[in-house]
Amino acid sequence: KQEVTQIPAALSVPEGENLVLNCSFTDSAIYNLQWFRQDPGKGLTSLLLIQSSQREQTSGRLNASLDKSSGRSTLYIAASQPGDSATYLCAVIDSNYQLIWGAGTKLIIKP
Amino acid sequence: KAGVTQTPRYLIKTRGQQVTLSCSPISGHRSVSWYQQTPGQGLQFLFEYFSETQRNKGNFPGRFSGRQFSNSRSEMNVSTLELGDSALYLCASSLGGLGGNEQFFGPGTRLTVL
Repeated sequence: KQEVTQIPAALSVPEGENLVLNCSFTDSAIYNLQWFRQDPGKGLTSLLLIQSSQREQTSGRLNASLDKSSGRSTLYIAASQPGDSATYLCAVIDSNYQLIWGAGTKLIIKP
Repeated sequence: KAGVTQTPRYLIKTRGQQVTLSCSPISGHRSVSWYQQTPGQGLQFLFEYFSETQRNKGNFPGRFSGRQFSNSRSEMNVSTLELGDSALYLCASSLGGLGGNEQFFGPGTRLTVL
């Protein structure tokens, strides 16, 4: 059974720092992995989608990597800003075509 | 282009009642998936519809059901509501389904069961 873990559960850093969020999954048989952000009381915003054949994707200050063999993905945020404060979730599409979610990392960027 | 819309945004019901939630996907998207989000369990997959057919179902009781119409709009129904059904219900649409396509989420419907 696929399980997705995100560490740390919460992170607080000063504005301007570069940071890395981690996501691990137990079964490497995935179709893709997607990173989302969720603002309090809101829905989810898609950040990056990495197909299983890809190693990384970039969008602006965000870069996500995928290492299927080790069951890990990282989301790198460069030059963090207070507007980046949110909960970041990763999710994988498993072999049963279901979206399996991590519990999220709550990120606070201090001005 | 318009995003995913969900109605209603907020709903209060009492135990034993039933509820229907609606989701309109992005134009051209044929897949709609539903998720339940609670503080205790996090996000959990309910089901996915593609071209009016349920393609996949998560581990929820039969009280949770759904359907999709020919215009790709989807409804989710929960019968005999329980207190534990209080949650944020999110729907997502994608072009071709969960296999290789990016998921776009609506703002959610917050259901409170009293």
